[in-house]
Amino acid sequence: GAVVSQHPSWVICKSGTSVKIECRSLDFQATTMFWYRQFPKQSLMLMATSNEGSKATYEQGVEKDKFLINHASLTLSTLTVTSAHPEDSSFYICSARDPALTDTQYFGPGTRLTVL
Amino acid sequence: GENVEQHPSTLSVQEGDSAVIKCTYSDSASNYFPWYKQELGKRPQLIIDIRSNVGEKKDQRIAVTLNKTAKHFSLHITETQPEDSAVYFCAASTYSSASKIIFGSGTRLSIRP
Repeated sequence: GAVVSQHPSWVICKSGTSVKIECRSLDFQATTMFWYRQFPKQSLMLMATSNEGSKATYEQGVEKDKFLINHASLTLSTLTVTSAHPEDSSFYICSARDPALTDTQYFGPGTRLTVL
Repeated sequence: GENVEQHPSTLSVQEGDSAVIKCTYSDSASNYFPWYKQELGKRPQLIIDIRSNVGEKKDQRIAVTLNKTAKHFSLHITETQPEDSAVYFCAASTYSSASKIIFGSGTRLSIRP
């Protein structure tokens, strides 16, 4: 099946710094990728839809200047958490849709972000 | 936008018994309904999905039913086993160029030995 990877798997940073998370589709080209955030014991909340070659579409309430998304190629999307604060600590998960399989989405393994 | 509600939030069943998780959705345009199993600290894993052109789908011990009129869909797990213990999420999606998936709030399923 299709494989989506994320890097890093976990990261600890100081408050005020920026952190970049990468999401890669390893064996298919993904024109669309999605970024989710999951707080402990909660559901996955969609943050934004990442479109290759164009601007990301953010969900209501998600600050686009704080969560920068870049989808520069058909296999890579990045999420940068700028000026991170402790409340940004969460599990960030990306997913990618394989156009050949219509609406099936494949999830990355997630990135655990801890902001001190 | 789409809103997915899921019940119950926690469910404990005796090993060997059946478990049922129910969801409702709000957007009548939604036509794809996946179910995910998530273990602690891991990615969601697709266990079964159903599209709006069918009312029921079964895969071994897992089945999903869909009532488009009532905007209800349910997950049924029969002959539960300890390894079924996890958090289960229902979700809904409308096929389009975006195809974003909206998740329910999750059900923590515990199987009692």
